[in-house]
Amino acid sequence: AQSVTQLDSHVSVSEGTPVLLRCNYSSSYSPSLFWYVQHPNKGLQLLLKYTSAATLVKGINGFEAEFKKSETSFHLTKPSAHMSDAAEYFCVVSEGYGNKLVFGAGTILRVKS
Amino acid sequence: SQTIHQWPATLVQPVGSPLSLECTVEGTSNPNLYWYRQAAGRGLQLLFYSVGIGQISSEVPQNLSASRPQDRQFILSSKKLLLSDSGFYLCAWSVQEGGRSYNEQFFGPGTRLTVL
Repeated sequence: AQSVTQLDSHVSVSEGTPVLLRCNYSSSYSPSLFWYVQHPNKGLQLLLKYTSAATLVKGINGFEAEFKKSETSFHLTKPSAHMSDAAEYFCVVSEGYGNKLVFGAGTILRVKS
Repeated sequence: SQTIHQWPATLVQPVGSPLSLECTVEGTSNPNLYWYRQAAGRGLQLLFYSVGIGQISSEVPQNLSASRPQDRQFILSSKKLLLSDSGFYLCAWSVQEGGRSYNEQFFGPGTRLTVL
């Protein structure tokens, strides 16, 4: 069975400093992995996805994530935080082409000025 | 390009009243469709998904139901709302081509439901 663990429920950074949101997954097969962002009272927007191509995945708004099979991790990073990055971030795993996504519990990112 | 709509955006309903939330997708054919619920401070819970008209799979037993009367229309309903039905309801779609489903899902703007 597949599962996702987001290691931090809240992360606080200062504007202009790096962002690291941690995610570990469990999957029996070669997974597809995603990061979604949700601003308050909005739908989810896809930031980036990994689907067994390059292990370093670049997404929108300067975010990127690295798939590390040996560590079963897919951490999300950004070199320099912006105030508009404040939101909730979800790490998501899916196996094969089975339609279903499994969501992590989410990490709320706060950006201080 | 594809777009997904949900309405209403917000809804306040008394306990025991019926519910109907609608989701429509434009710009694609034969999508997979999903209903999720997001309770306060919690992740997303998949409620229903559909791979075609009239084909509904339920993930969690509850007093909600879903229907897909048209290819790009997905409706979430209840005959009698409970307090625990309060939450943020999200509709999503994914591509389905030639019998193969793609994992990436695209989400609508959501409906905030408060049951009093």
